[in-house]
Amino acid sequence: GENVEQHPSTLSVQEGDSAVIKCTYSDSASNYFPWYKQELGKGPQLIIDIRSNVGEKKDQRIAVTLNKTAKHFSLHITETQPEDSAVYFCAASPSSARQLTFGSGTQLTVLP
Amino acid sequence: SAVISQKPSRDICQRGTSLTIQCQVDSQVTMMFWYRQQPGQSLTLIATANQGSEATYESGFVIDKFPISRPNLTFSTLTVSNMSPEDSSIYLCSASDDRFGYTFGSGTRLTVV
Repeated sequence: GENVEQHPSTLSVQEGDSAVIKCTYSDSASNYFPWYKQELGKGPQLIIDIRSNVGEKKDQRIAVTLNKTAKHFSLHITETQPEDSAVYFCAASPSSARQLTFGSGTQLTVLP
Repeated sequence: SAVISQKPSRDICQRGTSLTIQCQVDSQVTMMFWYRQQPGQSLTLIATANQGSEATYESGFVIDKFPISRPNLTFSTLTVSNMSPEDSSIYLCSASDDRFGYTFGSGTRLTVV
């Protein structure tokens, strides 16, 4: 089955700096790669996703890149703000209609 | 994106009892899933809730312990049966559709005493 590895497990950045979280996956059949933000006591919130026919996708301060050959994808947050502090999860699936396999999560702390 | 309402949001239950968690989506969706998240951990899939048929369970999860219903394209329930303290966790409903991707409810925080 699919295996998703996520790094780093914790990340601290100064407000205004950029943050990058990286994930690798094992199943070449995976074609859907969402990213979630989870705040304490809340469910995961979908912040951006990318499909395998796209190499990069951007939404304001958030971008995701995908390298299918190397089987890795990354989340980039620019101009970080304290409210970006949360746990971020990457995931992979053969499609958006199939079950997700999650990475282990990254605790991002943005220091004011 | 779809909005998922999940209830209860939290509960404290006695061991040996059962709890049913409800999940309502504000639009018809192709797929619904149930996940479990231990405190500080990642999410683990329990099962896929199939509309009109038996759920598909992942390894380590069985129907007798986690019966699931999905009577239509917007609603599903998960029951945690004969609970023990090891069942204390966050249970999350999710829905996916090509129109809006894959979204989650706010979760049910279960404590078994």
